[in-house]
Amino acid sequence: EVQLVESGGGLVQPGRSMKLSCAASGFTFSNYGMAWVRQAPTKGLEWVATISYDGSSTYYRDSVKGRFTISRDNAKSTLYLQMNSLRSEDTATYYCTRDPTMGTSYVMDAWGQGASVTVSS
Amino acid sequence: DTVLTQSPALAVSPGERVTISCRASESVSTLMHWYQQKPGQQPKLLIYLASNLESGVPARFSGSGSGTDFTLTIDPVEADDTATYYCQQSWNDPTFGAGTKLELK
Repeated sequence: EVQLVESGGGLVQPGRSMKLSCAASGFTFSNYGMAWVRQAPTKGLEWVATISYDGSSTYYRDSVKGRFTISRDNAKSTLYLQMNSLRSEDTATYYCTRDPTMGTSYVMDAWGQGASVTVSS
Repeated sequence: DTVLTQSPALAVSPGERVTISCRASESVSTLMHWYQQKPGQQPKLLIYLASNLESGVPARFSGSGSGTDFTLTIDPVEADDTATYYCQQSWNDPTFGAGTKLELK
């Protein structure tokens, strides 16, 4: 069974940093692209970033470019999202998702339960 | 960004057929996908590439369309289908529609 388990969320002050992790199991992690998708409270879904199966290619939405970094450790089957210079508008539940291809099809065929991030003073 | 516009909230009775629409601001070919999100849960992929049923998803769900106009059909609707349904395009940087909330009468 495919499992994605996020961790690292919580309350953080504006301008500070936070790092999310996503532990993957039930599939060969190194064969799949991965992505983060977020959902602000009572709002819709918003793609944040994508990384290819080997980490050689990364893609970001404009509003997080230069502030967020997506990375992966295939030896640990873990996906990361380093978030710097956080803003109130980054407040959301962050979902770890799997891309069903080795590249970046931008389809999300598996989702974690989500990690809540609140940016507030 | 490609903007996706979805039909507003819908209310149907169990056993009926329901269609949920999604219109793209530009052609996305067949690079359109549909997700179901039940209250308090993570989204779940239903349909990929406009018309392909994801493994394990009941055949009551189907998708169609190409270019700018797409539909998700549920036939027949069951009580468990109460959820918000999102379309998502992958023609360029991924964007989602605002969601269609489906309620059962």
